[in-house]
Amino acid sequence: KQEVTQIPAALSVPEGENLVLNCSFTDSAIYNLQWFRQDPGKGLTSLLLIQSSQREQTSGRLNASLDKSSGRSTLYIAASQPGDSATYLCAVRQGGSYIPTFGRGTSLIVHP
Amino acid sequence: NAGVMQNPRHLVRRRGQEARLRCSPVKGHSHVYWYRQLPEEGLKFMVYLQKENIIDESGMPKERFSAEFPKEGPSILRIQQVVRGDSAAYFCASSLGRGNEQFFGPGTRLTVL
Repeated sequence: KQEVTQIPAALSVPEGENLVLNCSFTDSAIYNLQWFRQDPGKGLTSLLLIQSSQREQTSGRLNASLDKSSGRSTLYIAASQPGDSATYLCAVRQGGSYIPTFGRGTSLIVHP
Repeated sequence: NAGVMQNPRHLVRRRGQEARLRCSPVKGHSHVYWYRQLPEEGLKFMVYLQKENIIDESGMPKERFSAEFPKEGPSILRIQQVVRGDSAAYFCASSLGRGNEQFFGPGTRLTVL
């Protein structure tokens, strides 16, 4: 059974810092990995989706990497802004499955 | 091009009442998934439906919970005789096909008093 762990659970940084969020998974036979953003009381917004054959994806100030063999993904946020404050969720989909397994998320606060 | 819509956004019920949560998928999507997010927990899969069929309900509690996705109209997640432990955010997602990317709705936050 796939298990997804996100570290740290919470993070508070000053504006402008570069930061890294971590996601680890126990079963490396994945189909893809997806990073979401969840604002308080809101739904999930997809940020980046990495297929199992890919090593990384980039969108603006965000960069997500994937290392299947070690069961890890990182989400790198450059030059953080207060508007980046949210919970970031990692979701892993197994090969042959249509249901992703979610981590509990990292709650990020970027203060001015 | 509307995304996944869920209503109501907030629902308050007293113990023993029924809760009905509705989900309208992205236009053209015929696959719907329901997830539950308990406080301080990750999203947990509940049920996967395709028009008029339940494909996978392995995450659904055996009692009091049911789901449908009729030929016409939204998908409905129904919780009978709610208890305080049912308080959670319920998210719906839809996809074009079984293996395609899922798009999530804003969720319904259920509070049971």
